[in-house]
Amino acid sequence: AQSVTQLDSQVPVFEEAPVELRCNYSSSVSVYLFWYVQYPNQGLQLLLKYLSGSTLVESINGFEAEFNKSQTSFHLRKPSVHISDTAEYFCAVSDRGTGFQKLVFGTGTRLLVSP
Amino acid sequence: EAQVTQNPRYLITVTGKKLTVTCSQNMNHEYMSWYRQDPGLGLRQIYYSMNVEVTDKGDVPEGYKVSRKEKRNFPLILESPSPNQTSLYFCATSSGGSGAEAFFGQGTRLTVV
Repeated sequence: AQSVTQLDSQVPVFEEAPVELRCNYSSSVSVYLFWYVQYPNQGLQLLLKYLSGSTLVESINGFEAEFNKSQTSFHLRKPSVHISDTAEYFCAVSDRGTGFQKLVFGTGTRLLVSP
Repeated sequence: EAQVTQNPRYLITVTGKKLTVTCSQNMNHEYMSWYRQDPGLGLRQIYYSMNVEVTDKGDVPEGYKVSRKEKRNFPLILESPSPNQTSLYFCATSSGGSGAEAFFGQGTRLTVV
């Protein structure tokens, strides 16, 4: 079975500063990796995903994540955050056999961006 | 517009009073799932469905029931709610293809007193 660890429950940062949200996973099989974002009072929406190929994946709003198989990590980064990035971010994993049926989420990291 | 619609958005009820949270999607997705979100625990899967009349337990199914009689609807039923089922509930759908994106509803905040 897969598991996901997000060590930081909350990350405060100033606007325009860089940020890294950490995600480590555990699985005995090959996996797909996802980052979802939840804005206040909304459902989750996909930010980016790693399926195969290049280990660096990017979102349309400037976030990127790098799949590191040896360290079983999929950390999310942004070089310069905006106030509007304030949200909760969830890392998720599914194995390549079961997919959506067994999508496992981490406990979430709340990103707080202040002026 | 692709939508996953949950109703109600907010609900306060009393212990033991049966309730249903509805979930409807207009994307013709085969896969649907229910999650509960609790502080410090993230999202945990309650039940999922791979197609009409095909459902299976997730990680925390106790105290919940589901049905999938139509492709677009996947209601969550609490036959006898208890205070430990106070939570934020999300319905999600997916086409189910390899690495396919999950689409989430807006959530239902349930309080059981």
